[in-house]
Amino acid sequence: DTEVTQTPKHLVMGMTNKKSLKCEQHMGHRAMYWYKQKAKKPPELMFVYSYEKLSINESVPSRFSPECPNSSLLNLHLHALQPEDSALYLCASSQADSYNSPLHFGNGTRLTVT
Amino acid sequence: DAKTTQPNSMESNEEEPVHLPCNHSTISGTDYIHWYRQLPSQGPEYVIHGLTSNVNNRMASLAIAEDRKSSTLILHRATLRDAAVYYCILETDSWGKLQFGAGTQVVVTP
Repeated sequence: DTEVTQTPKHLVMGMTNKKSLKCEQHMGHRAMYWYKQKAKKPPELMFVYSYEKLSINESVPSRFSPECPNSSLLNLHLHALQPEDSALYLCASSQADSYNSPLHFGNGTRLTVT
Repeated sequence: DAKTTQPNSMESNEEEPVHLPCNHSTISGTDYIHWYRQLPSQGPEYVIHGLTSNVNNRMASLAIAEDRKSSTLILHRATLRDAAVYYCILETDSWGKLQFGAGTQVVVTP
């Protein structure tokens, strides 16, 4: 079991659907992250939130919309996705503003876009 | 951004040490070196990190070259549960920007 919980574990959606991925942590961390991982590839950083504010956006297409409603929750809203967006989406958290703080990852949401 | 280079795969026998090399020749003086591993069907897991000095924890040891252009992750006694992809990552001057390289697939045989 991980301390970062992601729901749902699996999601299948059509290209016209709107869905959301959710991530929750209760470790008091003030930094939260979204990564995308394609099969047999390393995770790619998408977004970083620090103190509920977006601090890093790695030029992610606008069909991915992150939201951090409070310090424990992180959402990723999905709209008009393409089949090539099918991947494992990983959430992570850490202490903010600290180079010494390890990231704690969830086990991801496996997304399939049909 | 500073990059890392790792071998694609390494094989080890169970109960033997594993030395995983990582080259980071463009590292700057303030870049931290992080190691994470990813077991099948799981998210990445923190292993260890360091800046200049060698580091030890319950999972592994990190040996950092004097010029910091390379480092080695040492698993002292490999078990079957250590079979995973191991990633060497530099945390550069942009805090929070951990960008994973290709990693090394470690295979442990009984």
